[in-house]
Amino acid sequence: DADVTQTPRNRITKTGKRIMLECSQTKGHDRMYWYRQDPGLGLQLIYYSFDVKDINKGEISDGYSVSRQAQAKFSLSLESAIPNQTALYFCATSDRGRDTGELFFGEGSRLTVL
Amino acid sequence: GQNIDQPTEMTATEGAIVQINCTYQTSGFNGLFWYQQHAGEAPTFLSYNVLDGLEEKGRFSSFLSRSKGYSYLLLKELQMKDSASYLCAVMDSNYQLIWGAGTKLIIKP
Repeated sequence: DADVTQTPRNRITKTGKRIMLECSQTKGHDRMYWYRQDPGLGLQLIYYSFDVKDINKGEISDGYSVSRQAQAKFSLSLESAIPNQTALYFCATSDRGRDTGELFFGEGSRLTVL
Repeated sequence: GQNIDQPTEMTATEGAIVQINCTYQTSGFNGLFWYQQHAGEAPTFLSYNVLDGLEEKGRFSSFLSRSKGYSYLLLKELQMKDSASYLCAVMDSNYQLIWGAGTKLIIKP
């Protein structure tokens, strides 16, 4: 089983709908992240959390919200989806104790907003 | 602003060597990462450089020159499975990762 699991893996929805993407991890890492990937662009950070009580906005947080329900769970919500939120979304984790800050990614959630 | 530049696409031949360059301009520097991403899959960690010089790991090596804001990833003895995108990312002074758009590497037989 994957150490970082995202659900759903694929979702097609309509403009204005509320969508939640869920991420859970078994790596025991404190830090969790949500990224968005669009063709031709680098990964863009949406939100990140360094522990359960710590939530921080990334570079493109508008239109998104998150919830850190537990150390192992970090959910991303789109309150009212719009077509330009069509993208591949990745959850990632990192271990505070590692010097490199290496990220471990989930398998991705492909979201299409019609 | 902060910027990471890498070629959009490169083509190489199976068995050959390829060098993927990355130049960066960031607010501070706390390390440079290379990740591999196969189409439709998650990025996976390849290497980390924080000091100048070459880091070798099997067929893959990564080089860093902080004074030049430059890194490269060197892939030797190319295999078809090396066909993927290679992402360069720099950790800035706030320990935030700034990502390049990635280099798509196409390996031909």
